[in-house]
Amino acid sequence: SAVISQKPSRDICQRGTSLTIQCQVDSQVTMMFWYRQQPGQSLTLIATANQGSEATYESGFVIDKFPISRPNLTFSTLTVSNMSPEDSSIYLCSVEVRYSGANVLTFGAGSRLTVL
Amino acid sequence: QQPVQSPQAVILREGEDAVINCSSSKALYSVHWYRQKHGEAPVFLMILLKGGEQKGHDKISASFNEKKQQSSLYLTASQLSYSGTYFCGTGSGTYKYIFGTGTRLKVLA
Repeated sequence: SAVISQKPSRDICQRGTSLTIQCQVDSQVTMMFWYRQQPGQSLTLIATANQGSEATYESGFVIDKFPISRPNLTFSTLTVSNMSPEDSSIYLCSVEVRYSGANVLTFGAGSRLTVL
Repeated sequence: QQPVQSPQAVILREGEDAVINCSSSKALYSVHWYRQKHGEAPVFLMILLKGGEQKGHDKISASFNEKKQQSSLYLTASQLSYSGTYFCGTGSGTYKYIFGTGTRLKVLA
């Protein structure tokens, strides 16, 4: 099973600034997934990041607001740009792992952002 | 389209049983179940595949009705450690894992 390290674990940011979240995996993975979890809500997929190609964004999420980098098979970053209080959420990095012949998700501990 | 879970929340005492339902408007290739404790990341519990095969937790069972596009998670003889929010996650064959609305479960001593 892959181990995912995310940082920062939490941060308090000012409106209008940008913050980059880093996700490091201890093994090579093809796809990395970025999720947002707003307070008391479910997980919403932001984008899927494949190494060597542009990230694929879900409806409602755009590259200008959430640029993603995937420079190699073990690392990815998500930037939350021009933040507003509505961006206050937990951002989670996730990868697929094999479990008894099936693919399931494992998550990083998350990055809790508070925007003032 | 996000799968809908029911109930939204449930409180039970240790030793009681609970059922959490997950319903999708899209065809399902597989259903995953995750549990998230407060302040922690979601943790994989179980996966159900087309054809009825299930893999995962040995004290929690689940069902998957492909025709109805529904899944249910059965928690029997609940323990305090079962408290948390449960999410179903659906795989639609396009490598997109979409999570359900969530069910908050609290087990009291």
